[in-house]
Amino acid sequence: EAGVAQSPRYKIIEKRQSVAFWCNPISGHATLYWYQQILGQGPKLLIQFQNNGVVDDSQLPKDRFSAERLKGVDSTLKIQPAKLEDSAVYLCASSVDREDGYTFGSGTRLTVV
Amino acid sequence: KNQVEQSPQSLIILEGKNCTLQCNYTVSPFSNLRWYKQDTGRGPVSLTIMTFSENTKSNGRYTATLDADTKQSSLHITASQLSDSASYICVVSFFTGGGNKLTFGTGTQLKVEL
Repeated sequence: EAGVAQSPRYKIIEKRQSVAFWCNPISGHATLYWYQQILGQGPKLLIQFQNNGVVDDSQLPKDRFSAERLKGVDSTLKIQPAKLEDSAVYLCASSVDREDGYTFGSGTRLTVV
Repeated sequence: KNQVEQSPQSLIILEGKNCTLQCNYTVSPFSNLRWYKQDTGRGPVSLTIMTFSENTKSNGRYTATLDADTKQSSLHITASQLSDSASYICVVSFFTGGGNKLTFGTGTQLKVEL
């Protein structure tokens, strides 16, 4: 079974620039999550999708972050404009449903300079 | 407030030795508890998942225990190897109206040395 695919693996941008991350979940997984993991901390949920609908985006900084999952499969997370404190690893995870085990992707490491 | 605390924060052991990592939680209502291993620069990988009725679960050299009464869990690593060097994260799931949600611990950073 193929895992959760994320790209790019690394990204370095200047503050105030824009950046986008892509996630392809495991085939058949209806639930998709984006997490932000700052160095030395546990992952923090940014947004949770059930198919193409948003279930929870309460911790998503909506003034600069946006995410979509238009066809209920792939998802993109965008930051515009980026700040220095956005430097983190952005993890995508998927599960069959909202109560199943999660599978995480390898993440995208973002550095904002 | 739902919280997950792990100890120790970091640990250094010699190859071949055993070690035990601790996880205390205040999450309610409890659904399940997972231990993940996260290598540097990689996403977390699930080691074990335990529900309320399970006291212990093994996965190779990894054995997790759960005491739902005291809200404590441990992860025991037997005969450690260099490849065990990683961050170990305890994750507790709790029920909500919108499905389960996860509360992450900050992890224990384990380093195995020769």
